[in-house]
Order: sequence, then C-alpha cells, then structure tokens
Amino acid sequence: GEDVEQSLFLSVREGDSSVINCTYTDSSSTYLYWYKQEPGAGLQLLTYIFSNMDMKQDQRLTVLLNKKDKHLSLRIADTQTGDSAIYFCAEGYSGNTPLVFGKGTRLSVIA
Amino acid sequence: DAGVIQSPRHEVTEMGQEVTLRCKPISGHDYLFWYRQTMMRGLELLIYFNNNVPIDDSGMPEDRFSAKMPNASFSTLKIQPSEPRDSAVYFCASSLGGTATYEQYFGPGTRLTVT
Repeated sequence: GEDVEQSLFLSVREGDSSVINCTYTDSSSTYLYWYKQEPGAGLQLLTYIFSNMDMKQDQRLTVLLNKKDKHLSLRIADTQTGDSAIYFCAEGYSGNTPLVFGKGTRLSVIA
Repeated sequence: DAGVIQSPRHEVTEMGQEVTLRCKPISGHDYLFWYRQTMMRGLELLIYFNNNVPIDDSGMPEDRFSAKMPNASFSTLKIQPSEPRDSAVYFCASSLGGTATYEQYFGPGTRLTVT
C-alpha cells in the first residue's frame, strides 16, 4: 500500500540550512507536498512539486524530487526560529483526492 | 474568506459519551475531507465528500464513527459511544474541485480527549 516515511526530528542552528528528507512508495502520485504545522494550528501548504519536475525553488525553499528513488527533500536556507514547526511530506493525485502523509519531522531551530 | 472553520477547538468527554465535531468548508469548495492525527499513526483519512456525497469512507475506524454533510457549507463527524483510543486531533480540509486543483486547505483541528 501507500506509505510515506520521514525522520521524526531535526535540530539546526539559526542561519544554517535545514534539509528534511522523505521517501514515498506510490510512483503514480501526481503531486508531492510539504505542509507545515505550527503548534496548535492546522496544516498549511508550504510548497508542492509536480511529479514531472526535478526541482522547485521558492525564495528560501528548495524542493528536490528523485522519482527513480522515490525521494523528496525540502531545503530551507537561512533557517530562522520562526521556521520551528512540524513539516509533513505528502503524496497525492490531486487536491481532490485523499493525501497520504508522513508522520512529520519536528524541526527545532536553536538561536 | 475565513478559511475552514472547525468547532469545538477542544473537547474533553468521558468514555461512552457522544461527541460531535463540526466543520464549515471554504465557500465554493466541492470537496471535504476528515483526517485524524495521532502520535502513533500520524495523519490518516477518515472519509471524504464530493458535492455533499460520501466518496470513500474506508478509513472510518468502525461503526461508532459516522459523518454527514447535509449541505455544501456544513459537515459533522460523530462518535458514539466514544472511547479513550479515539483521543486525537481531528482535521477537516476542503478543496476547490476541478482538474487543476492541487491544494487542500486545512482547518485548525479539534483536539478530542476521551477519559
């Protein structure tokens, strides 16, 4: 069945780059997502990548997709304390079908 | 738009009681999803609707759980009777519909504690 795996914790120093990794199993997924969850809040879409792309850059965020290895990564440049949150990797066919989520990576940024 | 609205934000109840969680999707959105988040299992789909019709309820744990969407602006998730293992954060999400839709918009969640 579908499964998304990601490491549970990451700690970085303020100003450094953070890299969060994810592996997924459904090679037919159309979209791969990164959602961010701040304490006590819902999930907010951070960025997404279409499955026929290798890379997407959006300001401090860089998403890399390796379809052969079913590996997705999120790089946050110049990480700030405000980036401390849980980051969820997810896969899906569209926004109108259920998404399959990883368990989330808790990013802690040390000042 | 106010975004997806969920109520209550927190619910504490005793085992055996009925619990009703509510969701108002973003106006104009055709799809509504209910997810449950636990430490052990992460985020899992419970059920989703298209134009108020349930499409897939295979994630609903058992008969104690039921969900309805009587109109385009309101959905409920009911647990009767509730059990301690139902303690979780329940999220509602909605999406626009259409072939180019990629995003689901999440509500703030309802944190349910069953004692």
